[in-house]
Amino acid sequence: GQNIDQPTEMTATEGAIVQINCTYQTSGFNGLFWYQQHAGEAPTFLSYNVLDGLEEKGRFSSFLSRSKGYSYLLLKELQMKDSASYLCAATEAGSYQLTFGKGTKLSVIP
Amino acid sequence: DAGVTQSPTHLIKTRGQQVTLRCSPKSGHDTVSWYQQALGQGPQFIFQYYEEEERQRGNFPDRFSGHQFPNYSSELNVNALLLGDSALYLCASSPGERSTDTQYFGPGTRLTVL
Repeated sequence: GQNIDQPTEMTATEGAIVQINCTYQTSGFNGLFWYQQHAGEAPTFLSYNVLDGLEEKGRFSSFLSRSKGYSYLLLKELQMKDSASYLCAATEAGSYQLTFGKGTKLSVIP
Repeated sequence: DAGVTQSPTHLIKTRGQQVTLRCSPKSGHDTVSWYQQALGQGPQFIFQYYEEEERQRGNFPDRFSGHQFPNYSSELNVNALLLGDSALYLCASSPGERSTDTQYFGPGTRLTVL
């Protein structure tokens, strides 16, 4: 089985940088996904990390440390439209399911 | 290129009834997964269909069943509805048979059980 933990809520200021952490405990860890979900909408894919290190995609970056069971999503130059829930999800070797954390609700304030 | 589509958008049922939710995968995708998302929670995996067979199942009772058609579209059926089945039901499609393939989600069906 897997256990995924992430903070419930975070608040950050427009234009700032915010880091959303995710820790996981799993046997046979394969990789980690990050999704963004606006209220009442579908989760949309942001990133996938399978190797240690930082993956950068524009304003969004995601980091993975397999030895520490830890990942983070870094959002730069925050915009009001970044207000959403951010879900991390782990995959396990030989399994097809995504196991999600409860999500981190990010509020961006002026 | 249409993304993942689901119908209906919203549904209201009463306890004990049965419901069928529908999903059409993104073009080029042949694998469909279903998730249940309760308010304030992350999605929970129900099952995945590939080549018209249930390939993997999560921790959900047999009241939850599904089907995949030759055109890769899928249905989720829930029997004997309980109040606790009220949730957003998400369908996700992926392009192949690898467990690491990115899953792309549809807009969901909001089910309310009264």
